[in-house]
Amino acid sequence: NAGVTQTPKFRILKIGQSMTLQCAQDMNHNYMYWYRQDPGMGLKLIYYSVGAGITDKGEVPNGYNVSRSTTEDFPLRLELAAPSQTSVYFCASLGGGQNTIYFGEGSWLTVV
Amino acid sequence: KQEVTQIPAALSVPEGENLVLNCSFTDSAIYNLQWFRQDPGKGLTSLLLIQSSQREQTSGRLNASLDKSSGRSTLYIAASQPGDSATYLCAVTGNQGGKLIFGQGTELSVKP
Repeated sequence: NAGVTQTPKFRILKIGQSMTLQCAQDMNHNYMYWYRQDPGMGLKLIYYSVGAGITDKGEVPNGYNVSRSTTEDFPLRLELAAPSQTSVYFCASLGGGQNTIYFGEGSWLTVV
Repeated sequence: KQEVTQIPAALSVPEGENLVLNCSFTDSAIYNLQWFRQDPGKGLTSLLLIQSSQREQTSGRLNASLDKSSGRSTLYIAASQPGDSATYLCAVTGNQGGKLIFGQGTELSVKP
């Protein structure tokens, strides 16, 4: 049982480039989330999904896109990378009888 | 719009001291509240989850309380140890849609 798996762990992007952060969970959870965490700050919700085919904006969605074609996968796409998107990105899924949330190990993204 | 605030932002205590971390939220219509621990450069680990119908949860030296009507939760750590040094975050799940909103965290340092 791998839990929540994020790739890549580290990435450097140039301004204007595009990339996709991958997230997969093997717990059959319906709810999945993408957060960003800036230095010394809490987590800000970018997008979330309550099930396959359903996504919704969080607190800071601008500059990002998501899709949820399967229960397992929830990729986050940056179309035109900007320095303001330099951050640590966390994917999470929520489910189970106690509604426990499980986090991936994070993806460190630097835009230069 | 739900907002979650944690006070203090940072706390330094000598080993052995009992301490309290505070979390407040603006919308009392929550499904549950969770406390997390985050070590530097790492992801988040769930510590305690309190359902909206519960008043408190305990795990070892940790006790979390919830007062939904006043929009407050506390995390009590007994007999603190240097290994407790980390950032502690609280997060609330709303009644609708499963959005999980985080506070900015309290950075705890326990000195030997």
